[in-house]
Amino acid sequence: KQEVTQIPAALSVPEGENLVLNCSFTDSAIYNLQWFRQDPGKGLTSLLLIQSSQREQTSGRLNASLDKSSGRSTLYIAASQPGDSATYLCAVGPNSGYALNFGKGTSLLVTP
Amino acid sequence: SAVISQKPSRDICQRGTSLTIQCQVDSQVTMMFWYRQQPGQSLTLIATANQGSEATYESGFVIDKFPISRPNLTFSTLTVSNMSPEDSSIYLCSAGQGINQPQHFGDGTRLSIL
Repeated sequence: KQEVTQIPAALSVPEGENLVLNCSFTDSAIYNLQWFRQDPGKGLTSLLLIQSSQREQTSGRLNASLDKSSGRSTLYIAASQPGDSATYLCAVGPNSGYALNFGKGTSLLVTP
Repeated sequence: SAVISQKPSRDICQRGTSLTIQCQVDSQVTMMFWYRQQPGQSLTLIATANQGSEATYESGFVIDKFPISRPNLTFSTLTVSNMSPEDSSIYLCSAGQGINQPQHFGDGTRLSIL
Protein backbone atom coordinates (compact mmCIF):
# COMPACT_ATOMS: atom_id res chain seq x y z
CA LYS A 1 0.00 0.00 0.00
CA GLN A 2 1.36 3.39 -0.98
CA GLU A 3 2.40 5.56 1.97
CA VAL A 4 2.94 9.27 1.42
CA THR A 5 4.83 11.29 4.03
CA GLN A 6 5.29 15.04 4.18
CA ILE A 7 7.96 16.78 6.20
CA PRO A 8 7.80 19.10 8.04
CA ALA A 9 4.27 18.92 9.39
CA ALA A 10 4.37 22.64 10.09
CA LEU A 11 6.62 25.49 9.09
CA SER A 12 6.77 29.18 9.99
CA VAL A 13 8.98 31.55 8.02
CA PRO A 14 9.34 35.32 7.65
CA GLU A 15 8.16 36.91 4.46
CA GLY A 16 10.68 36.84 1.61
CA GLU A 17 12.34 33.55 2.47
CA ASN A 18 12.75 30.75 -0.02
CA LEU A 19 11.50 27.44 1.32
CA VAL A 20 11.29 23.76 0.48
CA LEU A 21 8.52 21.33 1.34
CA ASN A 22 9.25 17.63 1.16
CA CYS A 23 7.17 14.67 0.10
CA SER A 24 8.23 11.02 0.09
CA PHE A 25 6.40 7.91 -1.11
CA THR A 26 7.08 4.23 -0.60
CA ASP A 27 6.08 2.75 -3.97
CA SER A 28 7.90 4.21 -6.96
CA ALA A 29 5.37 2.71 -9.40
CA ILE A 30 3.53 5.98 -9.81
CA TYR A 31 2.00 7.67 -12.81
CA ASN A 32 2.16 11.23 -11.57
CA LEU A 33 2.44 13.44 -8.50
CA GLN A 34 0.33 16.46 -7.76
CA TRP A 35 0.81 19.33 -5.32
CA PHE A 36 -2.20 21.13 -3.85
CA ARG A 37 -2.81 23.94 -1.42
CA GLN A 38 -5.71 23.97 1.00
CA ASP A 39 -6.81 27.19 2.63
CA PRO A 40 -8.74 27.04 5.92
CA GLY A 41 -12.37 26.13 5.33
CA LYS A 42 -11.78 25.59 1.63
CA GLY A 43 -11.23 22.74 -0.79
CA LEU A 44 -8.01 21.93 -2.60
CA THR A 45 -6.41 24.05 -5.28
CA SER A 46 -4.20 22.23 -7.77
CA LEU A 47 -0.74 23.83 -7.99
CA LEU A 48 1.43 21.56 -10.09
CA LEU A 49 1.21 18.15 -11.73
CA ILE A 50 4.37 16.20 -12.56
CA GLN A 51 4.17 13.16 -14.81
CA SER A 52 6.39 10.23 -13.85
CA SER A 53 8.56 10.84 -16.92
CA GLN A 54 9.23 14.44 -15.90
CA ARG A 55 11.78 15.78 -13.44
CA GLU A 56 10.19 19.11 -12.58
CA GLN A 57 7.41 21.57 -13.23
CA THR A 58 7.33 25.31 -12.65
CA SER A 59 4.52 27.79 -12.17
CA GLY A 60 5.42 31.33 -11.18
CA ARG A 61 7.26 31.24 -7.85
CA LEU A 62 6.61 27.52 -7.45
CA ASN A 63 8.87 24.73 -8.62
CA ALA A 64 8.19 21.06 -8.01
CA SER A 65 10.71 18.32 -8.60
CA LEU A 66 10.29 14.57 -8.78
CA ASP A 67 12.82 11.79 -8.21
CA LYS A 68 10.75 8.68 -8.78
CA SER A 69 13.54 6.21 -8.14
CA SER A 70 14.19 7.55 -4.65
CA GLY A 71 10.51 8.17 -3.95
CA ARG A 72 10.83 11.90 -3.35
CA SER A 73 9.35 15.18 -4.46
CA THR A 74 10.01 18.72 -3.31
CA LEU A 75 7.99 21.89 -3.67
CA TYR A 76 10.15 25.01 -3.74
CA ILE A 77 8.50 28.34 -3.01
CA ALA A 78 10.56 31.40 -3.88
CA ALA A 79 10.27 34.75 -2.12
CA SER A 80 7.44 33.62 0.17
CA GLN A 81 4.52 35.96 0.87
CA PRO A 82 1.87 36.01 3.64
CA GLY A 83 -0.66 34.95 1.00
CA ASP A 84 1.24 31.67 0.64
CA SER A 85 0.09 30.68 4.13
CA ALA A 86 -1.92 27.47 3.72
CA THR A 87 -1.61 23.72 4.02
CA TYR A 88 0.29 22.12 1.15
CA LEU A 89 -0.63 18.57 0.20
CA CYS A 90 1.28 16.13 -1.92
CA ALA A 91 -0.67 13.39 -3.72
CA VAL A 92 0.60 10.44 -5.70
CA GLY A 93 -1.24 8.91 -8.64
CA PRO A 94 -0.70 5.15 -8.94
CA ASN A 95 0.05 3.21 -12.13
CA SER A 96 -3.33 1.50 -11.92
CA GLY A 97 -6.44 3.59 -11.54
CA TYR A 98 -6.85 7.31 -11.07
CA ALA A 99 -7.28 7.68 -7.32
CA LEU A 100 -4.75 9.83 -5.49
CA ASN A 101 -2.90 8.88 -2.31
CA PHE A 102 -2.43 11.94 -0.13
CA GLY A 103 0.11 12.91 2.48
CA LYS A 104 -1.04 14.66 5.65
CA GLY A 105 0.29 18.00 4.46
CA THR A 106 2.62 20.75 5.59
CA SER A 107 1.00 23.71 7.31
CA LEU A 108 2.86 26.84 6.21
CA LEU A 109 2.70 30.21 7.93
CA VAL A 110 4.48 33.16 6.32
CA THR A 111 4.73 36.08 8.70
CA PRO A 112 4.96 39.71 7.55
CA SER B 1 -9.82 23.90 -15.48
CA ALA B 2 -13.12 22.50 -14.30
CA VAL B 3 -15.06 24.41 -11.66
CA ILE B 4 -16.69 22.16 -9.08
CA SER B 5 -19.60 23.19 -6.89
CA GLN B 6 -20.69 21.24 -3.84
CA LYS B 7 -23.90 21.56 -1.87
CA PRO B 8 -24.43 21.92 1.01
CA SER B 9 -21.22 23.61 2.13
CA ARG B 10 -21.89 22.56 5.72
CA ASP B 11 -24.54 20.87 7.79
CA ILE B 12 -25.26 19.73 11.31
CA CYS B 13 -27.26 16.53 11.45
CA GLN B 14 -28.84 14.27 14.02
CA ARG B 15 -27.56 10.78 14.70
CA GLY B 16 -29.31 8.15 12.60
CA THR B 17 -30.32 10.45 9.76
CA SER B 18 -28.95 10.57 6.19
CA LEU B 19 -27.61 13.44 4.11
CA THR B 20 -27.08 13.68 0.36
CA ILE B 21 -24.25 15.84 -0.93
CA GLN B 22 -24.35 17.11 -4.49
CA CYS B 23 -21.39 17.76 -6.78
CA GLN B 24 -21.81 19.72 -10.01
CA VAL B 25 -19.03 20.25 -12.55
CA ASP B 26 -19.22 23.06 -15.09
CA SER B 27 -18.04 20.80 -17.93
CA GLN B 28 -18.17 17.13 -18.82
CA VAL B 29 -15.47 15.14 -17.06
CA THR B 30 -14.27 11.58 -17.39
CA MET B 31 -13.65 10.84 -13.74
CA MET B 32 -15.37 11.89 -10.52
CA PHE B 33 -14.31 10.89 -7.03
CA TRP B 34 -15.48 11.27 -3.44
CA TYR B 35 -12.97 11.77 -0.61
CA ARG B 36 -13.28 12.12 3.15
CA GLN B 37 -11.04 14.30 5.30
CA GLN B 38 -11.38 13.53 8.98
CA PRO B 39 -10.24 16.11 11.54
CA GLY B 40 -6.47 16.49 11.50
CA GLN B 41 -6.08 13.87 8.79
CA SER B 42 -5.42 13.90 5.09
CA LEU B 43 -7.81 12.87 2.37
CA THR B 44 -8.98 9.30 2.00
CA LEU B 45 -10.71 8.09 -1.14
CA ILE B 46 -14.22 6.74 -0.54
CA ALA B 47 -15.11 5.73 -4.08
CA THR B 48 -14.90 6.44 -7.77
CA ALA B 49 -18.24 7.55 -9.19
CA ASN B 50 -18.84 5.75 -12.49
CA GLN B 51 -21.26 7.19 -15.00
CA GLY B 52 -24.03 4.76 -15.75
CA SER B 53 -22.82 2.01 -13.43
CA GLU B 54 -22.21 1.27 -9.77
CA ALA B 55 -19.47 3.18 -7.98
CA THR B 56 -16.15 1.52 -7.18
CA TYR B 57 -15.56 1.58 -3.43
CA GLU B 58 -12.24 1.55 -1.59
CA SER B 59 -11.50 -0.86 1.21
CA GLY B 60 -13.42 0.06 4.33
CA PHE B 61 -16.25 1.85 2.52
CA VAL B 62 -19.50 0.14 1.50
CA ILE B 63 -22.40 1.04 -0.71
CA ASP B 64 -25.00 0.70 2.01
CA LYS B 65 -23.29 3.38 4.07
CA PHE B 66 -22.18 5.66 1.21
CA PRO B 67 -24.47 5.21 -1.80
CA ILE B 68 -23.25 7.19 -4.80
CA SER B 69 -24.98 8.19 -7.99
CA ARG B 70 -23.58 9.57 -11.23
CA PRO B 71 -26.38 10.02 -13.75
CA ASN B 72 -24.29 11.98 -16.26
CA LEU B 73 -20.81 13.37 -16.96
CA THR B 74 -21.26 16.56 -14.89
CA PHE B 75 -23.08 15.51 -11.74
CA SER B 76 -22.72 13.12 -8.81
CA THR B 77 -24.19 12.64 -5.37
CA LEU B 78 -22.88 11.03 -2.21
CA THR B 79 -25.24 10.01 0.58
CA VAL B 80 -23.97 9.47 4.09
CA SER B 81 -26.48 7.06 5.62
CA ASN B 82 -27.46 6.35 9.20
CA MET B 83 -24.98 8.90 10.46
CA SER B 84 -23.05 8.65 13.71
CA PRO B 85 -20.60 11.13 15.30
CA GLU B 86 -17.73 9.20 13.67
CA ASP B 87 -19.00 10.41 10.29
CA SER B 88 -18.21 14.01 11.21
CA SER B 89 -15.76 14.99 8.48
CA ILE B 90 -15.24 17.07 5.42
CA TYR B 91 -16.47 15.34 2.29
CA LEU B 92 -14.88 16.45 -0.98
CA CYS B 93 -15.76 15.81 -4.58
CA SER B 94 -13.08 15.84 -7.24
CA ALA B 95 -13.06 15.53 -11.01
CA GLY B 96 -10.52 14.92 -13.74
CA GLN B 97 -10.26 14.27 -17.43
CA GLY B 98 -7.90 11.34 -17.17
CA ILE B 99 -4.65 10.07 -15.83
CA ASN B 100 -2.57 12.78 -17.54
CA GLN B 101 -4.67 15.61 -16.20
CA PRO B 102 -4.81 17.20 -12.74
CA GLN B 103 -7.71 16.49 -10.42
CA HIS B 104 -9.75 19.47 -9.32
CA PHE B 105 -11.69 19.70 -6.09
CA GLY B 106 -14.80 21.34 -4.77
CA ASP B 107 -14.77 23.35 -1.55
CA GLY B 108 -16.10 20.40 0.40
CA THR B 109 -19.04 19.74 2.70
CA ARG B 110 -18.36 20.13 6.40
CA LEU B 111 -20.55 17.66 8.21
CA SER B 112 -21.12 17.50 11.96
CA ILE B 113 -23.24 14.82 13.58
CA LEU B 114 -24.68 15.41 17.05
